Amino acid sequence: QQQVKQSPQSLIVQKGGISIINCAYENTAFDYFPWYQQFPGKGPALLIAIRPDVSEKKEGRFTISFNKSAKQFSLHIMDSQPGDSATYFCAASKGNDMRFGAGTRLTVKP
Amino acid sequence: DAGVIQSPRHEVTEMGQEVTLRCKPISGHNSLFWYRQTMMRGLELLIYFNNNVPIDDSGMPEDRFSAKMPNASFSTLKIQPSEPRDSAVYFCASTLGTPKNIQYFGAGTRLSVL
Repeated sequence: QQQVKQSPQSLIVQKGGISIINCAYENTAFDYFPWYQQFPGKGPALLIAIRPDVSEKKEGRFTISFNKSAKQFSLHIMDSQPGDSATYFCAASKGNDMRFGAGTRLTVKP
Repeated sequence: DAGVIQSPRHEVTEMGQEVTLRCKPISGHNSLFWYRQTMMRGLELLIYFNNNVPIDDSGMPEDRFSAKMPNASFSTLKIQPSEPRDSAVYFCASTLGTPKNIQYFGAGTRLSVL
């Protein structure tokens, strides 16, 4: 049972453009929503995270938008750079129970 | 801190052989997770430990897989006998736990079973 659905599978964006990745979750008990970034040959690393009591969190060029009623959240990467090319995973957790989305492979073309 | 350390980085073995993957979590972290990553299934949680005790092993594929955490600084994931479909990247992650629940991942072990 896929508890966190992520789209798109892959995304190609021009340098300077906006990258948008979407996720939807099912379990309303989830209370922590992180995004992880993974470069080839490396493990995933936390990029940014949000709790459901806020609708948006911004850190530099990265913004999470959260819609609790729709059970959806998204990652926006502003001014996308070639160095942002990686696989991005959304996740949802309650305590130590963390469920990951399938991942989005982002390619930013120079 | 050196982060989560996994060994080996790469493992190539033949079908039927025993494989042991190792993980050293970040010092002071009290929870440890084993994940498997494949193109088809993405990142799957296999098992996690809290204070060295297995809490949820519902993700372990079958009896060929076993995991142990004899102390707070070491864990193993064993596959016996290994099969070609076990080929994947296996990640270990550790966390200090709530409230932030940030999981720190190791670099992974790429397993190829021929």
